[in-house]
Amino acid sequence: SYELTQTPSVSVSPGQTARITCSGDLLAKQYVYWFQQKPGQAPTLIIYTDSERPSGIPERFSGSSSGTTVTLTISGVQAEDEADYYCQSADNSGTYVFGTGTKVTVL
Amino acid sequence: EVQLVESGGDLVQPGGSLRLSCAASGFTFRSYWMHWVRQVPGKGLVWVSRINSDGSDTDFADSVKGRFTISRDNAKNTLYLQMNSLRVEDTAVYYCTRAGRHDGFDVWGQGTMVTVSS
Repeated sequence: SYELTQTPSVSVSPGQTARITCSGDLLAKQYVYWFQQKPGQAPTLIIYTDSERPSGIPERFSGSSSGTTVTLTISGVQAEDEADYYCQSADNSGTYVFGTGTKVTVL
Repeated sequence: EVQLVESGGDLVQPGGSLRLSCAASGFTFRSYWMHWVRQVPGKGLVWVSRINSDGSDTDFADSVKGRFTISRDNAKNTLYLQMNSLRVEDTAVYYCTRAGRHDGFDVWGQGTMVTVSS
């Protein structure tokens, strides 16, 4: 089955930049979406179609794509950004898949 | 307010059945594709199933294919997940979510817990 691989964890100091990568064979052909999930809460969509931000999502969250790897960048990390982050895409048959998840810790 | 509220989660024995519901409000439910996503506490998100806007087309993850059915009642603004032949590994929080603009899952419910155990 199709898999999206993420770095398990990222630690970053406040004000620094966090980069989270997501790799998958089909990512050059399929859009990627990013979600933030805080403990005890449902996920929140923070990036859609590789690089677009929904209304209300801070500008410090950005997405980029290069071949089979996509990157979520959090610029000027704040304490409130500590959470789990998931990428999500689709395979060739139209079914959906989430990445393995990345835990972001703000030091 | 745009909202999704799941219900129906419970403790059920292996081999049993359960039907989850997801009540939508604050938006034109019949215009959107809907999905179910599950998450074992402490683990990652797993896509389960989706249904198109009029209910004529569905798809499932391989792990639930043949056991789960997704449906919707657009008159009642409600999404359903019928789960049969439940297994211990189906234990998870089940979320319903809306596929909004550009197919992003932009609205989520609070989740309902399904526990499969003897």
